[in-house]
Amino acid sequence: QKEVEQNSGPLSVPEGAIASLNCTYSDRGSQSFFWYRQYSGKSPELIMFIYSNGDKEDGRFTAQLNKASQYVSLLIRDSQPSDSATYLCAVIAAGNKLTFGGGTRVLVKP
Amino acid sequence: DAMVIQNPRYQVTQFGKPVTLSCSQTLNHNVMYWYQQKSSQAPKLLFHYYDKDFNNEADTPDNFQSRRPNTSFCFLDIRSPGLGDAAMYLCATSLRSGTDTQYFGPGTRLTVL
Repeated sequence: QKEVEQNSGPLSVPEGAIASLNCTYSDRGSQSFFWYRQYSGKSPELIMFIYSNGDKEDGRFTAQLNKASQYVSLLIRDSQPSDSATYLCAVIAAGNKLTFGGGTRVLVKP
Repeated sequence: DAMVIQNPRYQVTQFGKPVTLSCSQTLNHNVMYWYQQKSSQAPKLLFHYYDKDFNNEADTPDNFQSRRPNTSFCFLDIRSPGLGDAAMYLCATSLRSGTDTQYFGPGTRLTVL
């Protein structure tokens, strides 16, 4: 079982719609959760971090964390073609090591 | 602007020819990391420094070495690059500890001929 799992996609979303990305993790002691966006050939760019159960909103992005169910999700509202990228879920668990999921590729179609 | 800088952005080397990648940061962060990312894969941690304290991942090949001469700079040395070492190499920093948010540099794309 992978430590951090994501659906590889591609997740195809019409422009203006909501993109919903999910991530599950195996270490129940995980404390910190991150979403990074990575354009093809570029480095990961931090979008959001979340530490507590519930929702955290930043502009068009909302991160949701449910520690009991061991999942974290990212919602992208009003999706734009510029949101087309791979989204990496990352978790800091035991040993303070940042572990990445395999990423979900998102395609926003005009 | 405070940032993480990597040089060069693109590096071409020959099989077996040593290569050094560099990373610098103006964030004054205590922790620096080196990741390897191959196409369509997640970044893989190679090693990191807490200040001057070096931490090697168990599965990092001996072919990879690192130096951190001061707070601002960190180097990745690949002693004898193989074809399988072609990848994007990412440097990241975090403020104080491994639980802090990591910020990535633009990466160095390594090609091995």
